[in-house]
Amino acid sequence: EVQLVESGGGLVKPGGSLRLSCAASGFTFSSYSMNWVRQAPGKGLEWVSSISISSTYIYYADSVKGRFTISRDNAKNSLYLQMNSLRAEDTAVYYCARDSGDLEWLCDSWGQGMLVTVSS
Amino acid sequence: SYVLTQPPSVSVAPGKTARITCGGNNIGNKSVHWYQQKPGQAPVLVIYYDSDRPSGIPERFSGSNSGNTATLTISRVEAGDEADYYCQVWDSSSDHVVFGGGTKLTVL
Repeated sequence: EVQLVESGGGLVKPGGSLRLSCAASGFTFSSYSMNWVRQAPGKGLEWVSSISISSTYIYYADSVKGRFTISRDNAKNSLYLQMNSLRAEDTAVYYCARDSGDLEWLCDSWGQGMLVTVSS
Repeated sequence: SYVLTQPPSVSVAPGKTARITCGGNNIGNKSVHWYQQKPGQAPVLVIYYDSDRPSGIPERFSGSNSGNTATLTISRVEAGDEADYYCQVWDSSSDHVVFGGGTKLTVL
């Protein structure tokens, strides 16, 4: 069974930093691209970032480019999102989501999400 | 940037057919994926590549895509289908994943 478990969320002040992690199990992590998708309270889904299986290709939404960094460690079956210069509008539940292959651009499995709150 | 437009809400009586649209410029030339999200839960993929169903998704869920509109169709709607539904594409022009704004399906 595919399992994706996010961690590292919480309350952070504007301008601060946070690192989200996603632990993957139940599948060959190194064979799938991975994504971060977020959802602000009461709002819709917003794509944040994607990374290919070997980290060769990395993509970011305009709203986070230059502030967020996606990375992965295939040896540890883990996905990360380093978030710097956080703003109030980054407050959201952040989902780790598996691609159906290598950059197939659809999310076939999702974690339960991790809340990040940016507030003073 | 590429924009996907969904109606904010759709209402349907139990046993009837619900159709949720997703509009985009020449969306028929893109692959469209649909997700279902129930309150407090993570999204679930219900249709991929316009009309394919993942294992475990009922045959009542189907999809189509042509011209400027993609459609998610839910036949014989049940109370348990009440949820938010999102369409999604990959926009190769911007190298961005794009989600529609979401449609809240209400079962009357």
